Amino acid sequence: EPEVTQTPSHQVTQMGQEVILRCVPISNHLYFYWYRQILGQKVEFLVSFYNNEISEKSEIFDDQFSVERPDGSNFTLKIRSTKLEDSAMYFCASKVIAGGPKDTQYFGPGTRLTVL
Amino acid sequence: GQQLNQSPQSMFIQEGEDVSMNCTSSSIFNTWLWYKQDPGEGPVLLIALYKAGELTSNGRLTAQFGITRKDSFLNISASIPSDVGIYFCAGRFGNEKLTFGTGTRLTIIP
Repeated sequence: EPEVTQTPSHQVTQMGQEVILRCVPISNHLYFYWYRQILGQKVEFLVSFYNNEISEKSEIFDDQFSVERPDGSNFTLKIRSTKLEDSAMYFCASKVIAGGPKDTQYFGPGTRLTVL
Repeated sequence: GQQLNQSPQSMFIQEGEDVSMNCTSSSIFNTWLWYKQDPGEGPVLLIALYKAGELTSNGRLTAQFGITRKDSFLNISASIPSDVGIYFCAGRFGNEKLTFGTGTRLTIIP
């Protein structure tokens, strides 16, 4: 069964450094998302992306964050200058359609980001 | 913003028992989803609900979309060890982001 994949599984970085988290959504999906989960807390929405542009973003997704779909398969999240509070699990999700019974987001296994 | 409150926060049950958890919101959603998360992994979809009043089953799991569109429950019958994990409800209004609940941690006592 197709699944969302994410790399790396764990990223350790120094505060102030740039990180890029990578995702390969399910191949026929058109809508892409990033969420994050601080340890022990709930999953929080960051950004949604469709048709090569951001369709919605949360308050968390400030100017330090950016997303890109550089080719037909990858979807990336970049944090320009990491802060300690960016330490979290970052989940990529994708879905094939908007609306109706098949409108379901499928999540990747996550990247654990640790900022020192 | 929209908030989902899940209860209970944690449950300690014996294998074979039935489990019930619910999710309530201050605002309406047009889709309710239930996910399970194992440690260090991403949420895995269990059940999706798309219409108010809908009752859907997936094996030993049953979930319902509340009539008011502000709540949903998940039942697990005859729990087994692999049911251990954190269960999250998630709601959506519109086509985009999911708003997740606070989670229910299920532990099975040997």
